[in-house]
Formats: sequence, C-alpha cells, structure tokens
Amino acid sequence: EAQVTQNPRYLITVTGKKLTVTCSQNMNHEYMSWYRQDPGLGLRQIYYSMNVEVTDKGDVPEGYKVSRKEKRNFPLILESPSPNQTSLYFCASSLSGLDYGYTFGSGTRLTVV
Amino acid sequence: SQQGEEDPQALSIQEGENATMNCSYKTSINNLQWYRQNSGRGLVHLILIRSNEREKHSGRLRVTLDTSKKSSSLLITASRAADTASYFCAPSGNTPLVFGKGTRLSVIA
Repeated sequence: EAQVTQNPRYLITVTGKKLTVTCSQNMNHEYMSWYRQDPGLGLRQIYYSMNVEVTDKGDVPEGYKVSRKEKRNFPLILESPSPNQTSLYFCASSLSGLDYGYTFGSGTRLTVV
Repeated sequence: SQQGEEDPQALSIQEGENATMNCSYKTSINNLQWYRQNSGRGLVHLILIRSNEREKHSGRLRVTLDTSKKSSSLLITASRAADTASYFCAPSGNTPLVFGKGTRLSVIA
C-alpha cells in the first residue's frame, strides 16, 4: 500500500531532551516536507526537500533540523525541544512539490513538558 | 508565499444539502488543489485543477477555478455526516504547497 509512515504517533517528552520523528514513504517520491498544525494557526511548513541531499526552510524552521540522505526517509529532529514545540506534526510526500497531490502521514502528536 | 484563504471559516448544514466553500489567492498558479482533514488526521488529497481548466468533477465533488478572479470553489453535493471535516485549498505555482486555516464543515444528520 502506498503510504507515508510517521513514528511515533504520540510522544510526551521533557524540555531539552533531543528527539527524532521519523518519516518514510514507499512511493519513490522526490519531494517530502514537514508541517506543524496548531489551533487557530492552520498548517505551517517547517522544512521541505525537493530531492535527496536538498533541503529548504519553510515558514517556521527555528528549533528544527532535517536531513534527506536517502529518497524514502525525511526525519525531523528537535535538538532541544521546548514547550512551544508542542504540536501536531505531519509529514507529506509528492512526486514533485509542484504539480502533483501530496500524500500525508497520520501525524505525530508531540507534547513537551 | 501563495497561500490560499478559505471562506467561510466554518459552515454547518443538514445532511443532504449542498456545501460550498470558496478559496481566494493572490499570485499566478499552475494548479490548485483541495484537501480534506478529518479531526486530528492527515490531510487527504481530493482534487487538482490545472490553471487551464475551469471546472472539474470527482464523484460528489465539483471544483471550479476562475484565474481572472484568483478564486476557486469546492461544492459537495448531497452531503453526508461523513463529510464532516476541515477542507483546505492549496494554490500551486513555483513553490511547494502552503496551506491556510481551512473551512470547518459540519454536516448534521
């Protein structure tokens, strides 16, 4: 089944403890991206990647890192999480970032205490 | 960025009625996409309409695009309780998709 898989689905962590949210797609998509969704603010893009080894900042990249070492994986790294990063996170992929629909993962609900 | 703005922010209708949501944007586009999000779940791609198309259908969905007015509409006919969700438009040009706050549709049985 074609899908985007995010893990974990839920995560509660403490301030400052490094964490990684994984994202993997099995559709050979070139494009991958991360969003966060907060009440009243909609979806905001964190980082995106048009291809392997190519990443770009979205609208809210502060406090996050990403890497794209292989086409199928695009992990989101929080080096020192803070409570304001408590949010619902989504990974998405697409054949290209421009002319095709996006496939979204099921989301990761992160709570930083 | 080329973020779309959905209107209304919230819409409540009875089952069986039609639901219309609108989207406005500011820059030139290659295509415009509509997505649905059930509460807390990932967005699901509904339909993509290209800039040279004026109307597109998919099942009970009808999307129109007016590039001269920089606007699009999504019509859901004969709505069902299962259509209750948030709906997002995403204009697509030379940069990856940016999503707005969506329209929250409630279909009351």
